[in-house]
Amino acid sequence: GAGVSQSPSNKVTEKGKDVELRCDPISGHTALYWYRQSLGQGLEFLIYFQGNSAPDKSGLPSDRFSAERTGGSVSTLTIQRTQQEDSAVYLCASSLMVSSNYGYTFGSGTRLTVV
Amino acid sequence: SQQGEEDPQALSIQEGENATMNCSYKTSINNLQWYRQNSGRGLVHLILIRSNEREKHSGRLRVTLDTSKKSSSLLITASRAADTASYFCATDAAGGFKTIFGAGTRLFVKA
Repeated sequence: GAGVSQSPSNKVTEKGKDVELRCDPISGHTALYWYRQSLGQGLEFLIYFQGNSAPDKSGLPSDRFSAERTGGSVSTLTIQRTQQEDSAVYLCASSLMVSSNYGYTFGSGTRLTVV
Repeated sequence: SQQGEEDPQALSIQEGENATMNCSYKTSINNLQWYRQNSGRGLVHLILIRSNEREKHSGRLRVTLDTSKKSSSLLITASRAADTASYFCATDAAGGFKTIFGAGTRLFVKA
């Protein structure tokens, strides 16, 4: 597609439920990143994927968080047993390659609210 | 801790004035990027400066990089109300691919 697409744009869930957030990167972009942004804060790195290489999961805050990228394209971020502190905007970005000599294109994010 | 940290945290200026934002980082980098974010959603890539570059221009934007001081500045000249946004710097540690963002500077341009 023309840009990075994220869905849903907003998600309200009850504490303890699982949620799945989806990211469709720009076609041909081999690098894909997930970030989390709490209200009024900077971006917190979660995970990145580069082609078929093993992802860098070092930013995932707990084992309740997981992500996968199927076929080198669409990525899903899953949060199990959601907690109120998981409430944030989850941003996905893609780039031609993982080396940041290429700028990233961000999606509009998914605003997750855990009640 | 954050690799990149911006200052000031917030900046309020009149339309037509110049706005300068600074970013400091801790480790050697491949390059440094600046992004703009409107209304807390997606970020827009503004400019990328490589570690072997000292200054770069794009329209009304001027970015400098001082690797000896581990700092960068973003200058927006002749600001407009539409420049009101949060501005973030982002860096990759040299040899790594994990891009880390600072906490951002909130710029408010008064018409």
